[in-house]
Amino acid sequence: RKEVEQDPGPFNVPEGATVAFNCTYSNSASQSFFWYRQDCRKEPKLLMSVYSSGNEDGRFTAQLNRASQYISLLIRDSKLSDSATYLCVVTNTGGFKTIFGAGTRLFVKA
Amino acid sequence: NAGVMQNPRHLVRRRGQEARLRCSPMKGHSHVYWYRQLPEEGLKFMVYLQKENIIDESGMPKERFSAEFPKEGPSILRIQQVVRGDSAAYFCASSDASGSIGFFGPGTRLTVL
Repeated sequence: RKEVEQDPGPFNVPEGATVAFNCTYSNSASQSFFWYRQDCRKEPKLLMSVYSSGNEDGRFTAQLNRASQYISLLIRDSKLSDSATYLCVVTNTGGFKTIFGAGTRLFVKA
Repeated sequence: NAGVMQNPRHLVRRRGQEARLRCSPMKGHSHVYWYRQLPEEGLKFMVYLQKENIIDESGMPKERFSAEFPKEGPSILRIQQVVRGDSAAYFCASSDASGSIGFFGPGTRLTVL
């Protein structure tokens, strides 16, 4: 089993749609959780951290369920500029190893 | 420039040559991570280093690959006797003592002919 698994993609959605990405992790001792965004042929960039209480940043909402070892990202009112690959990221004990999911590609179409 | 810097951005090598990739962490960061991304695939952890120490190299291939982060200067990822399968984007990230990665460098795209 992979340490971090994400929904297979790609997701093709129209502008204005709501889209949800899911991610599971295998190490129950994992401590920190993030969503990154990667545009084609660019470096990954931190989108947002994920907390157990849930957190929101504009159109983006991230949730963490430690009991189920599950992380989600919700994008509301999708824009064309949201088209990218979204990476689920987990940092294990001491932050010594940050593990990336394979990513889910999102295409938002006009 | 306060960001993570990598050079070269593009590197072309013939099979059997050596490739050296450099990474300068953000100012104040003493932890460096190297990741490899094959075409159409996700990021794969390679190695985690602190100054003068390799902390975790569990993702490094057993042969031909090595990494260092000297007391002075950038971190170096070295690939000896490159093969076509080494063609990939190599990303470096850095962090402070907390270990949580924030920023990546722009990557080095290695092409092996």
